[in-house]
Amino acid sequence: GAGVSQTPSNKVTEKGKYVELRCDPISGHTALYWYRQSLGQGPEFLIYFQGTGAADDSGLPNDRFFAVRPEGSVSTLKIQRTERGDSAVYLCASSEPGTGGRNQPQHFGDGTRLSIL
Amino acid sequence: GENVEQHPSTLSVQEGDSAVIKCTYSDSASNYFPWYKQELGKGPQLIIDIRSNVGEKKDQRIAVTLNKTAKHFSLHITETQPEDSAVYFCAALPGGNMLTFGGGTRLMVKP
Repeated sequence: GAGVSQTPSNKVTEKGKYVELRCDPISGHTALYWYRQSLGQGPEFLIYFQGTGAADDSGLPNDRFFAVRPEGSVSTLKIQRTERGDSAVYLCASSEPGTGGRNQPQHFGDGTRLSIL
Repeated sequence: GENVEQHPSTLSVQEGDSAVIKCTYSDSASNYFPWYKQELGKGPQLIIDIRSNVGEKKDQRIAVTLNKTAKHFSLHITETQPEDSAVYFCAALPGGNMLTFGGGTRLMVKP
C-alpha cells in the first residue's frame, strides 16, 4: 500500500519567509509524528498527534514552529520567520493505534529538505 | 530525558562478512528499540525492532539483541551484501511516543 507521503520534497526559501510542509500519513494510522534531521545526525522529535490533537509538542524549538492536523489525517508543519538554522530535512512518520498500552512501529516518509538562504 | 549513544559512526566490511552496531541508552523506562536503515535522499526504513520483554529477535540475515541490565542493544547483519550499504540508526522509546535516535552508523560493504 501507499506509504507516508511528504510534499514538497525540496523547498528553498529566503530568510524571514513563511513555509508550510505537508504530510499524508498511511491510511488508517491515527498517530502522526514530525521529526527534524540535521546533516549527519539522527532525527529529533518535534511533535506528536493522536487524531486531531497535539498530544506532545515538547520538541518544537520555539513559537515560530506550529503544526496542525484538523481532520485527523493530513498534517501541516508551519514555520514563521524562517532562519538559516531551520535548514534541515523535516520527516513525518505515522503509526497504527496502539492497543493495551503497547506502541506501534513508526513508519517514515522521505522528508522535505528545507533550505533557508 | 533519554540519551542514546551509537557506535561505531562508520563501519567498513567486506562482502560476506558480518557487521555489528552497538547502542546504549540511559532511561531504564525505555521498552521499545527499533532499528532503521536510511539510504541517501530517503526516509528511515524500519528493518527490525525489539521490545523489552525479549532478549533477542532474528529476521533472516538481521538480528537484534537487548541487554536491559546493561542498557545496551545491538544490530547484527550476517552475510553482508553491497545493498546493505546505508546509514543505520538505533532508537529507544522511554514510554510515550517520542523516539530518541542514536547518531547513526554509516555502513559500507565492499564488493
